[in-house]
Amino acid sequence: AQKITQTQPGMFVQEKEAVTLDCTYDTSDQSYGLFWYKQPSSGEMIFLIYQGSYDEQNATEGRYSLNFQKARKSANLVISASQLGDSAMYFCAMRAIGTGNQFYFGTGTSLTVIP
Amino acid sequence: DGGITQSPKYLFRKEGQNVTLSCEQNLNHDAMYWYRQDPGQGLRLIYYSQIVNDFQKGDIAEGYSVSREKKESFPLTVTSAQKNPTAFYLCASSVQGWVTGELFFGEGSRLTVL
Repeated sequence: AQKITQTQPGMFVQEKEAVTLDCTYDTSDQSYGLFWYKQPSSGEMIFLIYQGSYDEQNATEGRYSLNFQKARKSANLVISASQLGDSAMYFCAMRAIGTGNQFYFGTGTSLTVIP
Repeated sequence: DGGITQSPKYLFRKEGQNVTLSCEQNLNHDAMYWYRQDPGQGLRLIYYSQIVNDFQKGDIAEGYSVSREKKESFPLTVTSAQKNPTAFYLCASSVQGWVTGELFFGEGSRLTVL
């Protein structure tokens, strides 16, 4: 069975500091993708970054990077130089080749950036 | 611009009424999904469809129904059998079968039962 675990219900970070949001996953598939989404208070889901299971390099997108440790089955999101607009819910998700079109989401982490 | 359009954005319903939430996409995606989100909670899958005229139940399908008569459209009906329908509903789509394809979401529909 596929499972995503986010153990940090809430996090605080000082503006301009970096923050790491944890995500661990469980799958028996060799081919899978890991995704992070941001959900501001408006409710829309914004895609941030993707990491494939066969990618050797950690994914980066601007201030977002994904710390992918395959052996530990973790895919932590790192946000550098936090901004007030980063305050939101963050969800980790996985899609595996064995389950085709199904996406599995974690319970989310609420990030608050403090001025 | 390609994307997913959900309507209405806000909807109020009296108990015992069925309501239908609209979801239209112009991304040419085969797979479409409906998720429910309760305050402070994650996303729970209601139904998903991989192809026209076919759909599968997700984790919380009871009290909901869907149809997929066109590739672009995947409406969700919240029936009177759904005991606690007040929630935020998100429609999404993706390319089929590729682990690299992310979910594209609509802006959501907020349903309140009075």
